Formats: sequence, structure tokens, C-alpha cells
Amino acid sequence: AQSVTQPDIHITVSEGASLELRCNYSYGATPYLFWYVQSPGQGLQLLLKYFSGDTLVQGIKGFEAEFKRSQSSFNLRKPSVHWSDAAEYFCAVGRRGGNKLTFGTGTQLKVEL
Amino acid sequence: GAVVSQHPSRVICKSGTSVKIECRSLDFQATTMFWYRQFPKQSLMLMATSNEGSKATYEQGVEKDKFLINHASLTLSTLTVTSAHPEDSSFYICSAREPGQSGNTIYFGEGSWLTVV
Repeated sequence: AQSVTQPDIHITVSEGASLELRCNYSYGATPYLFWYVQSPGQGLQLLLKYFSGDTLVQGIKGFEAEFKRSQSSFNLRKPSVHWSDAAEYFCAVGRRGGNKLTFGTGTQLKVEL
Repeated sequence: GAVVSQHPSRVICKSGTSVKIECRSLDFQATTMFWYRQFPKQSLMLMATSNEGSKATYEQGVEKDKFLINHASLTLSTLTVTSAHPEDSSFYICSAREPGQSGNTIYFGEGSWLTVV
């Protein structure tokens, strides 16, 4: 069975500081990996995804993530955080050819001005 | 880009009544849509897979008679919460896969807040 672990429930960073949100997955084959962002009371917006190829993927809003197979990780990064980045971030894994996603428990990001 | 839309965004209903939530794929045809439930400050839990023209597939522990899913067209899936109780109050989100070239890209709707009073 596939699973996703986001070890950090809450993270607080200062505006302008760099950010890294951790995501570890458990999956028997090469996974499809996603990062979504959710603002309070809103749906999920896709930030980026990894299917294959270059292990460093670029997303929207200046985010990037790196797939490291040896570490079963897909950490999300941003070099300089903006106050508007404050939200809940979810990492998810899916099966090739399938559609179901398994989500991590999320990381709540707070940005201090 | 692809858009998935839900309606209503918020609904309040009385205990014992039924309420319907719609999920539409606006830019593409989706043979499969998914319904998730999210409790406050928790992650998303898959409830069921909605298949166009056939019965939905429910996850373990989800009551199919309580959460009725209909996928009548390639752009619309509906979730009906029947005989709603206060414990059904939650945030319900649907998703759909955009078919195509590079594999799975799954888009989510804006979500629907259900409050049962």
C-alpha cells in the first residue's frame, strides 16, 4: 500500500527566508508525486508534479521539488517565501496509470512579516 | 488550464434531509472523478471513485447508501448525502484527471462545506 509522510505539522518562516517542506513516500514502484496547496476554506491547487525524467521539477509560484528515489523523498522548496504563501501544503502519491491519490497529513505554513 | 468546479461552495441543511453536491470538469471530459472528505485540520480521505456510466467504487468504511454518487455524463458527477446527520458536516472535495499525454494530472474542485444542523 502506498503512504505519504509529512513530518512537519507546522512550520513558521520569516518572509524572504527560504523554505523546505518535507515529504517521504512509501510505494512499491515508481510513483507519481504531487504537491498541492490549500488556502483556508478553499480547494486544492496543484503546485507541481513529478512523473518521470528530470528529478528537479519546477512549479507555479516559484516552488520547486526534487525527487530523490534513494531517500523516497519529494521535498518542496522555495528560495524566498512571500506572506501570501501561508497555507496548508499537501504532498500526494499516485500510481502510474491510476487515478487515486494518497495524501500526507499536510504541513501548515505560517509566514512572519 | 483545466478547471474542476463544485457547487454549492457552502450548504446548510437540516438533520434528516438530503443534499446534493455537484462536480463539473469545465475544460475536459472526465470518465473518472473522485470524492474526498476532509475534516478540519486533517488530510483528505478518499471516499469513492465515480465512474461515468457505471457504479461508483467506494472505499472501505464508506456507506454507499448514505453517500450516493452519480456520474451521468463525462463532465458531471454528483454526491448526494442522504439522511444527513451533524457528523456528516465536513468539507467535501472532488477531483478529476485530465486525460492526456503526460500521465496523470489531477485537478481538484474548490470544495463544498456541508453543515448539518
